[in-house]
Amino acid sequence: EAGVTQSPTHLIKTRGQQATLRCSPISGHTSVYWYQQALGLGLQFLLWYDEGEERNRGNFPPRFSGRQFPNYSSELNVNALELEDSALYLCASSPDGLRGANVLTFGAGSRLTVL
Amino acid sequence: AQSVAQPEDQVNVAEGNPLTVKCTYSVSGNPYLFWYVQYPNRGLQFLLKYITGDNLVKGSYGFEAEFNKSQTSFHLKKPSALVSDSALYFCAVRGEYNFNKFYFGSGTKLNVKP
Repeated sequence: EAGVTQSPTHLIKTRGQQATLRCSPISGHTSVYWYQQALGLGLQFLLWYDEGEERNRGNFPPRFSGRQFPNYSSELNVNALELEDSALYLCASSPDGLRGANVLTFGAGSRLTVL
Repeated sequence: AQSVAQPEDQVNVAEGNPLTVKCTYSVSGNPYLFWYVQYPNRGLQFLLKYITGDNLVKGSYGFEAEFNKSQTSFHLKKPSALVSDSALYFCAVRGEYNFNKFYFGSGTKLNVKP
């Protein structure tokens, strides 16, 4: 079974540009979660999508946005990039939200560097 | 408020010695507790979870964790550390009632010296 896949692995942008990160969940998983892991910081929750809808978002400005497609894959868009957006962006999926004993399964991440 | 605390930024142990990585939590209702490990430039890998039942939970790679309700703790343990266990470890919790919110600790870097 394929795991959670993320692309690109690495992305280098300059300030003010836009970045798009992609995530494909495990087959059968309908929920996708995005986290930001900046250097020296823990995981900061960004967004949660389930069944094509944004269900929750963390404490991030509106220039962080995304969407979930009918096949449950997801995109994270970061507009007007700032230097502090440099981080590892992790995508995770779970079946049907986090009911019961469901766990989050993470992808390997996309490293975004803003120059 | 729900939260997770990992009081140690770093834990150093010698290979072959037992290791403990500490985690305490605060959550409404019964806790669902998890440990994840992250190797450099990689995503998080699930190690083990406590949902209900035995307080001692066994997971991957010889790790285990002990749930202590009175102390609201869920410490990660391994009887004999390996150099390859060196990584960043995250404790996470979600509440019984607010099950779609996953709270992660700040992470503990484990260094196992040969």
